[in-house]
Amino acid sequence: GQNIDQPTEMTATEGAIVQINCTYQTSGFNGLFWYQQHAGEAPTFLSYNVLDGLEEKGRFSSFLSRSKGYSYLLLKELQMKDSASYLCAVKDSNYQLIWGAGTKLIIKP
Amino acid sequence: IAGITQAPTSQILAAGRRMTLRCTQDMRHNAMYWYRQDLGLGLRLIHYSNTAGTTGKGEVPDGYSVSRANTDDFPLTLASAVPSQTSVYFCASSAGTPDSGANVLTFGAGSRLTVL
Repeated sequence: GQNIDQPTEMTATEGAIVQINCTYQTSGFNGLFWYQQHAGEAPTFLSYNVLDGLEEKGRFSSFLSRSKGYSYLLLKELQMKDSASYLCAVKDSNYQLIWGAGTKLIIKP
Repeated sequence: IAGITQAPTSQILAAGRRMTLRCTQDMRHNAMYWYRQDLGLGLRLIHYSNTAGTTGKGEVPDGYSVSRANTDDFPLTLASAVPSQTSVYFCASSAGTPDSGANVLTFGAGSRLTVL
């Protein structure tokens, strides 16, 4: 079967750095996405990786290793507004998105 | 503001009743999707439409139907609601089809449905 694994919950301190990991086992690979979802709101797009390596976008970076079936989302200079769930999703060989259950990130002052 | 509008925001429904969740987008996106989100599970695709006039089944289509009469509207119908359909439903759209590169999804605000 296809599977996306992420930690259920993480806690970090305002101003710090946090890394959210995602491992996947899917039938084929056509890209990996990270979305942010604040409580009670819609998911919004953060990043897309299709090749190995690091993609940086402001305070957020996303890394991909296809050989390891692994990605992480790195959030720097954490702000209270970063408290949200972070969803990892992989596009499989049929171009269908397989979603992880999400990681709830709690930021403490 | 361009985006996706879903209605209703929230609804409590008796089992056995028929219910249509509405979804309208004004971005002229080709593809539209319906997902359900349940605690502890990833988003699951119910139905999708790659272009007006066509629809397809996703991972969990049973008990649901959709139509895509035009580009903007993509309603989801529960013909006879059951308690297991209690969930938060998200409509989404994308400019391209799933096989077109990044194909970023834009989501509506969601419809919270409770079936008693």
